[in-house]
Amino acid sequence: DIQMTQSPSSLSASVADRVTITCRASQTISTSLNWYQQKPGKAPKLLIYGASNLYSGVPSRFSGSGSGTDFTLTISSLQPEDFATYYCRQSYSSPGTFGQGTKVEIK
Amino acid sequence: QVQLQESGPGQVKPSETLSLTCTVSGGSVSSGSYYWSWTRQSPEKGLEWIGYIHNTGSTNYNPSLKSRATISIDTSKNQFSLKLSSVTAADTAVYYCARGTILTSADGTWGQGTMVTVSS
Repeated sequence: DIQMTQSPSSLSASVADRVTITCRASQTISTSLNWYQQKPGKAPKLLIYGASNLYSGVPSRFSGSGSGTDFTLTISSLQPEDFATYYCRQSYSSPGTFGQGTKVEIK
Repeated sequence: QVQLQESGPGQVKPSETLSLTCTVSGGSVSSGSYYWSWTRQSPEKGLEWIGYIHNTGSTNYNPSLKSRATISIDTSKNQFSLKLSSVTAADTAVYYCARGTILTSADGTWGQGTMVTVSS
């Protein structure tokens, strides 16, 4: 299985901060990388697919980049509703595997 | 707007079979553009993909489940289902159903999730 490693595991940030989360795959996955946001007690929500494509309805302050093994999710200006846990997931090969998550907390 | 809703017992005894159903509204499980998947989440393992089914009946499962999982689809009821046999405490988790787009290989629509506890 392809291992997905996110960093950091958690971070504290303030509203309006620029936030970057990284995800590294244990082998190349081209651009087959999705990002999800999850709030407590809720299902994950798709933010980015194909490494850099914004999913329908997702605010433009979210962006994704990367290819091969290294990827980033950037929130350009953190909003109160963005405090959540973020997961990457590779869809390059089966089984699709998730990162362990990055919790974004209020500073 | 498509919506998914999981249903099934909240508690299952060890060694028995966990059975969950996902009811789809606002969309059709017969659509060839999508696949229908199950994912679970526990504090111990995090998010773990279980498997998916296409309207053609083709399936793909996570090998970590050692052939215990079976996903089926019922187009007449617009539902798809998960059966997980020989459950143990390690199968205790929140189970989510989701719809993924074949073109993007991304699960864009999820159910709210249902908690299943394996306990005698």
